[in-house]
Amino acid sequence: EVQLVESGGGLVQSGGSLRLSCAASGFTVSSDYMSWVRQAPGKGLEWVLVIYSGGSTYYADSVKGRFTISRDNSKNTLYLQMNSLRGEDTAMYYCARGRPYSSGWPYYFDYWGQGTLVTVSS
Amino acid sequence: EIVLTQSPATLSLSPGERVTLSCRASQSVSSYLAWYQQKPGQAPRLLIYDASNRATGIPARFSGSGSGTDFTLTISSLEPEDFAVFYCQHLYTFGQGTKLEIK
Repeated sequence: EVQLVESGGGLVQSGGSLRLSCAASGFTVSSDYMSWVRQAPGKGLEWVLVIYSGGSTYYADSVKGRFTISRDNSKNTLYLQMNSLRGEDTAMYYCARGRPYSSGWPYYFDYWGQGTLVTVSS
Repeated sequence: EIVLTQSPATLSLSPGERVTLSCRASQSVSSYLAWYQQKPGQAPRLLIYDASNRATGIPARFSGSGSGTDFTLTISSLEPEDFAVFYCQHLYTFGQGTKLEIK
């Protein structure tokens, strides 16, 4: 059974840093496209970044230069390092597995974790 | 960058009714569109991918159609547990969501 369990959220001051983790089971994170998607309180879904199976990464402009996605294959865990946090980064952060369409591109999200809440205070 | 526009923003309906939600893309996305359902306090759940394929375990009352720029999600007969927010998605872009509430 595929499971994703996020952790590491909490309250942090503006300008601070936080590292989120997403522990996966039932599949291998290095073999799939793994993304972080966030949702500000009362708002819609916003894709944040992705790490592809080959290791390349792609970031939303809103987090470029501040956030870094990585993975530890030995722990089958995905990470999100967040630096220079701002108030607008306050959100529930979900990790999600991306599955490519039969053509190989693009992809959709078939499994989601329960999320971890990040609150940035000023 | 592709923009996905969902309509309406909110729908008020009763159990047993049929509902159709719309998602329009700013340029063609072929059939590469997915739909998600999100209930309060829960993570999104995949309903439909590739415009019309139901995800594993999704009831047959949910169906998707469309290609190019215009897509629809239809629930043939609303059950009480169907009331939620629905999002469409293509690659890095989500629609703004349609909230389906009980009338």
